[in-house]
Amino acid sequence: AQSVAQPEDQVNVAEGNPLTVKCTYSVSGNPYLFWYVQYPNRGLQFLLKYITGDNLVKGSYGFEAEFNKSQTSFHLKKPSALVSDSALYFCAVRDLLNRDDKIIFGKGTRLHILP
Amino acid sequence: NAGVTQTPKFQVLKTGQSMTLQCAQDMNHEYMSWYRQDPGMGLRLIHYSVGAGITDQGEVPNGYNVSRSTTEDFPLRLLSAAPSQTSVYFCASRGGNSNQPQHFGDGTRLSIL
Repeated sequence: AQSVAQPEDQVNVAEGNPLTVKCTYSVSGNPYLFWYVQYPNRGLQFLLKYITGDNLVKGSYGFEAEFNKSQTSFHLKKPSALVSDSALYFCAVRDLLNRDDKIIFGKGTRLHILP
Repeated sequence: NAGVTQTPKFQVLKTGQSMTLQCAQDMNHEYMSWYRQDPGMGLRLIHYSVGAGITDQGEVPNGYNVSRSTTEDFPLRLLSAAPSQTSVYFCASRGGNSNQPQHFGDGTRLSIL
């Protein structure tokens, strides 16, 4: 069965510094991987995805993520953090070997950008 | 475009009451799903549907029923509410290919007393 782990409940970063939000996954086949962001009292919004091809994928709001198959990781990154990046971030995975088409989410990481 | 619309936004129920959480999407998406979000637990999949007339269970289906009579609507029913079902519920939809991202509604905040 597929699973996804976000090892940090909270990440604090000073404004202007680079940020990383970690995600590791476990699948039986090849993965589809996604990052979403959630602002207070709102639903999740899609940031970026890895399907195949280039390991570095770029998404919305200047975010990017690097797919690392050997480490089974898909960490979210941004070169220079903004206070407005403060939100809850979720990693999600779809195991292509499973026919049930389920997408499983991690527990989320709260990102605080300090002014 | 309305996207994914969930109603109501807030609801308070007493233990044992029943209710239906509504979800509608106007993007002609085949795939729809229900999640619950609890502190420290992330999003957990309750039920999902890959098309009209087809539903399947997720990680935490007990206590919830769903049906999918049309492409647009995917209601979630609580037959006999329990305090453990206090949560924020999100409905999502996406196109037929599983490499497509999901579109989420803004949630229903449900309290069971």
